[in-house]
Amino acid sequence: DIQMTQSPSSLSASVGDRVTITCRASQSIRTYVNWYQQKLGKAPKLLISLASTLQSGVPSRFTGSGSGTDFTLTISSLQPEDFATYYCQQSYTTSWTFGQGTKVEIK
Amino acid sequence: QVQLQQWGAGLLRPSETLSLTCAVYGGPFTGYHWSWIRQPPGKGLEWIGDISHTGNTYYSPSLKSRVAISLVTSQNQFSLKLTSITAADTAVYYCARGRKDCSSGCLAFDSWGQGTLVTVSS
Repeated sequence: DIQMTQSPSSLSASVGDRVTITCRASQSIRTYVNWYQQKLGKAPKLLISLASTLQSGVPSRFTGSGSGTDFTLTISSLQPEDFATYYCQQSYTTSWTFGQGTKVEIK
Repeated sequence: QVQLQQWGAGLLRPSETLSLTCAVYGGPFTGYHWSWIRQPPGKGLEWIGDISHTGNTYYSPSLKSRVAISLVTSQNQFSLKLTSITAADTAVYYCARGRKDCSSGCLAFDSWGQGTLVTVSS
């Protein structure tokens, strides 16, 4: 299986801050990474596919980048509704795997 | 807009079989993969397996010997069975729609069910 390692595991930030979450794959996966947001007690929501394609209805403050083994999710100006846990997922090979998650908390 | 609604038993005993069903409303059944993903309490997401609309199945290697996913195409439903369960299978189980963003692989889970907490306890 391809391992996906996110960092940090958690972070504290204030409204308006720029936040960056990284995800590293155990082998090259080209641009085959998706990003999800999960709020407490809810199902995950797809934010970005194929490393940088913003899904319909997702605010433009979310951007994704990267290729090969290193990927980032950036929130340009953190909003109150963005406090959640974020997961990356590799879509390169079947046996899809997720990162362990990054919890974004209020400072 | 597509909606996924899932149901099944929430409390099971060790060695029993977990059985969940997911119905798809408001969107096409064909052209997608239909997936099951679980999340142990306080932990991350684990893909269990998925099935294409043509019936091809793909399973997690760690669960493959105990998992079966099937379709009821006429009712736009798909099901999960997990046999010989233990406390380690306690989790919230989600059904999800897998959208293929390229010709090979590239599965993105773009719609999710509400989740079902399955607790395994004697």
